[in-house]
Amino acid sequence: GAVVSQHPSRVICKSGTSVKIECRSLDFQATTMFWYRQFPKKSLMLMATSNEGSKATYEQGVEKDKFLINHASLTLSTLTVTSAHPEDSSFYICSARGFGDSTEAFFGQGTRLTVV
Amino acid sequence: EDKVVQSPLSLVVHEGDTVTLNCSYEVTNFRSLLWYKQEKKAPTFLFMLTSSGIEKKSGRLSSILDKKELSSILNITATQTGDSAIYLCAVKLNAGNNRKLIWGLGTSLAVNP
Repeated sequence: GAVVSQHPSRVICKSGTSVKIECRSLDFQATTMFWYRQFPKKSLMLMATSNEGSKATYEQGVEKDKFLINHASLTLSTLTVTSAHPEDSSFYICSARGFGDSTEAFFGQGTRLTVV
Repeated sequence: EDKVVQSPLSLVVHEGDTVTLNCSYEVTNFRSLLWYKQEKKAPTFLFMLTSSGIEKKSGRLSSILDKKELSSILNITATQTGDSAIYLCAVKLNAGNNRKLIWGLGTSLAVNP
């Protein structure tokens, strides 16, 4: 199956700093990438949908200026958590979908963010 | 509001048992239903269902969609400890909704030896 690589897998940062998470589709062109957040023992919460070359569509309640998403190419999307606070600590997962209606979304390995 | 409901939320069985996980949905723009297995990291894809009544099978796992009942089941036969995971159900919406996925809360399955 298709491969989506997410980096880093784990990051610890200080409050007030920014953290960038990368999501790459390695063997297909991702027209759409989704960014999720997952709390312990909870389901995936969609944060935003990004289409290559256009602005991301954020879900209600997700701050655009806090979670900056860039999808500059068909193989790379980035999520930057700006001015991170301890409450931003979570598991962040990206998924990528290619061309065609029948392509399911493939997930990256996830990033465990801890803000201290 | 679009929603996906899974039941049960958690389940504990013994190796060799057969389990049935349920997923029901209420969405305005259904396209397909997907099942994923999540262990420690990101979910891995299991099945995508678009047509009612056609069973999809992969080894000991099988799944079927009932569009009339707005639901799907995931069956696991002869369970093994390696089947322990969270099983997530998601409904994919049509293109007008960016084909985004609406997720259920998952069923946490524990298979004891």
